[in-house]
Amino acid sequence: DAGVTQSPTHLIKTRGQHVTLRCSPISGHKSVSWYQQVLGQGPQFIFQYYEKEERGRGNFPDRFSARQFPNYSSELNVNALLLGDSALYLCASSLTGYTEKLFFGSGTQLSVL
Amino acid sequence: KNEVEQSPQNLTAQEGEFITINCSYSVGISALHWLQQHPGGGIVSLFMLSSGKKKHGRLIATINIQEKHSSLHITASHPRDSAVYICAVRGRSGGGADGLTFGKGTHLIIQP
Repeated sequence: DAGVTQSPTHLIKTRGQHVTLRCSPISGHKSVSWYQQVLGQGPQFIFQYYEKEERGRGNFPDRFSARQFPNYSSELNVNALLLGDSALYLCASSLTGYTEKLFFGSGTQLSVL
Repeated sequence: KNEVEQSPQNLTAQEGEFITINCSYSVGISALHWLQQHPGGGIVSLFMLSSGKKKHGRLIATINIQEKHSSLHITASHPRDSAVYICAVRGRSGGGADGLTFGKGTHLIIQP
């Protein structure tokens, strides 16, 4: 079985641009969560989705948005990119998103120039 | 908001040594995760705990809910254990509504 897949693996954008990151969960998993990890720091929670509904949102500006599709894959969108958005963006999936083991993708490394 | 503190931040040890990494949090939780992150970014979930102790191979994780503290132990450490170990907690407010709060990680190097 495939694990959690994220695309693209690396991305370079310039300030002010928009970016879309994609995540496909493990088959059968209905919950997807997104995290931002700045170099040298622990990840920070951005969003969680379950059954296509937003279940939680971290302390990120409205430039960050996400959605989950009927096949449970998910997109993270970031508008008006800032230099500070440069980070590793991680996606994790789980069966229901409650207190259960998480499975992480390898991440998308975003560089904003 | 939960504050998660890990110690030590960096740890270098010799192969075979017993390793302990600590995690403290400030607010009651529903679950605590121990994660392993290798260079390149990939994160692997090692344990999820809500009470007591879990063991998997050479890894042992314990949690003391009253003291708001968890430890990750590695017995007979090996150079392949070199990685960043991250503690993450989920609050009691239920479901995933508050996501996970992560520590900054412990950078472990095991020398041959």
